[in-house]
Amino acid sequence: DTEVTQTPKHLVMGMTNKKSLKCEQHMGHRAMYWYKQKAKKPPELMFVYSYEKLSINESVPSRFSPECPNSSLLNLHLHALQPEDSALYLCASSTQDSNQPQHFGDGTRLSIL
Amino acid sequence: GQNIDQPTEMTATEGAIVQINCTYQTSGFNGLFWYQQHAGEAPTFLSYNVLDGLEEKGRFSSFLSRSKGYSYLLLKELQMKDSASYLCAVTASGGSYIPTFGRGTSLIVHP
Repeated sequence: DTEVTQTPKHLVMGMTNKKSLKCEQHMGHRAMYWYKQKAKKPPELMFVYSYEKLSINESVPSRFSPECPNSSLLNLHLHALQPEDSALYLCASSTQDSNQPQHFGDGTRLSIL
Repeated sequence: GQNIDQPTEMTATEGAIVQINCTYQTSGFNGLFWYQQHAGEAPTFLSYNVLDGLEEKGRFSSFLSRSKGYSYLLLKELQMKDSASYLCAVTASGGSYIPTFGRGTSLIVHP
């Protein structure tokens, strides 16, 4: 079990669907992240939230829309995705100290039909 | 920017010792992390180095040389469950607490 909880674990959706990925942590971390990971590749940073404000968007297409409703929750809204968006989506959280590790959720395995 | 390099894949025998290297080029180095990731699972934190030298944690040790931009993860008494991807990640002053990941090293342990 991880301290960062992601739901759902698996998601299959069509290219016209709208769905959301959810992430929750109760460690009091004020930095939260979304990563995309393809098979046999490292996690690729998508978004960073700091104190519930979006601080980094790594030029992610607008079909991915992040949201941070409060300090414990992070959502990723999906709309009109493409087959190449199929991947493992990882949420992570951390303090804002450079000597502290990130804590990752188990991810959502997303498949786009 | 940061440039982090680690081998793509390594194989080793159960019970043996393996060393996974990571080299990096960055300005304003803050620290280096090692994570383990089993297929389809979350990366989990293994170790952190900021000062030169060796940090030992049971069967796993991590070494850092800041002057050489070099780290290694040493795994002793390998077990089949150590088959996983090992990710080296660096934090630097430009991105402060946000790490940059290397491409990961896939370790295969065989009997």
